[in-house]
Amino acid sequence: DIQVTQSPSSLSASVGDRVTITCRTSQTIRNSLHWYQQKPGTAPKLLISSTSTLLGGVPSRFRGSGSGTDFTLTISSLQPEDFATYFCQQTYRTPPTFGGGTKVEF
Amino acid sequence: QLQLRESGPGLVRPSETLSLTCTVSGASITINHYFWAWIRQSPGKGLEWIGSVHHSGGTYFNPSLKSRLAISVDTSNNQFSLSLTSVTTADTAVYFCVKEAGSGPAAYWGPGILVTVSS
Repeated sequence: DIQVTQSPSSLSASVGDRVTITCRTSQTIRNSLHWYQQKPGTAPKLLISSTSTLLGGVPSRFRGSGSGTDFTLTISSLQPEDFATYFCQQTYRTPPTFGGGTKVEF
Repeated sequence: QLQLRESGPGLVRPSETLSLTCTVSGASITINHYFWAWIRQSPGKGLEWIGSVHHSGGTYFNPSLKSRLAISVDTSNNQFSLSLTSVTTADTAVYFCVKEAGSGPAAYWGPGILVTVSS
C-alpha cells in the first residue's frame, strides 16, 4: 500500500491566519491526491480533488498544490467555519489510502 | 440531489458477519464510470477504504480485508451492500458508504453508521 504521512497532526490557529497542511506519499502518485474536511459527528466532505481542483462551493481561500510525493493544503485566511479536521487521500493505487488527519483548533 | 444512507445493525457479536446496506437516492446507481464504495473510520486506524463496486458487479477490495469481504449491488433497489465475515473488536468503526468520482475521490458520503463489535 502507498503510505500517506500527513503533518502536523494538530495545529492551533486564529481567525485570519494562514494555515498549511502537508501530505507526503511513499511513492509518486502524479496528481491523485485529494483533500477532505471533517467536522465532529459528520462525514468528511471533499474539498479539493486531483491536487488542486476546488469542488463547487468551496471558498477560494482553500488552495491545493504539489506533485509527485509532496502535497500541500493552504487556507489563506482561516475563518471560524474552517476549524475542523482535514484529511488527504491518494487514489493512484488500490487501495486508496488516507493521511492520519490534521485537527485545526483555535 | 444525490443522497446515500447506510442501514444495518449497530451491534455485531465477535466472529459473526457484519452486513450493511447503502440506499442511494437522487440518482441511479447505474451511472456509468462511477464506483460505489465503503470507507470506515475508527479512532485507532483512522480512515480506511474497504472496497468498491460498479453497477456491472465489478469490485475492488482492500487486500487487508479481501478474505472476509463481499460487496454487491442491487440495481433494482438502487442499493449496494457490504458483508464482512468473522468480525473482531478491531472492526468496530463508523462505516460510510460513498460515491467515488471518476478520478477516485469520495465525492458523496452517507452520514455514517456506527457498528460496534462486542459480545
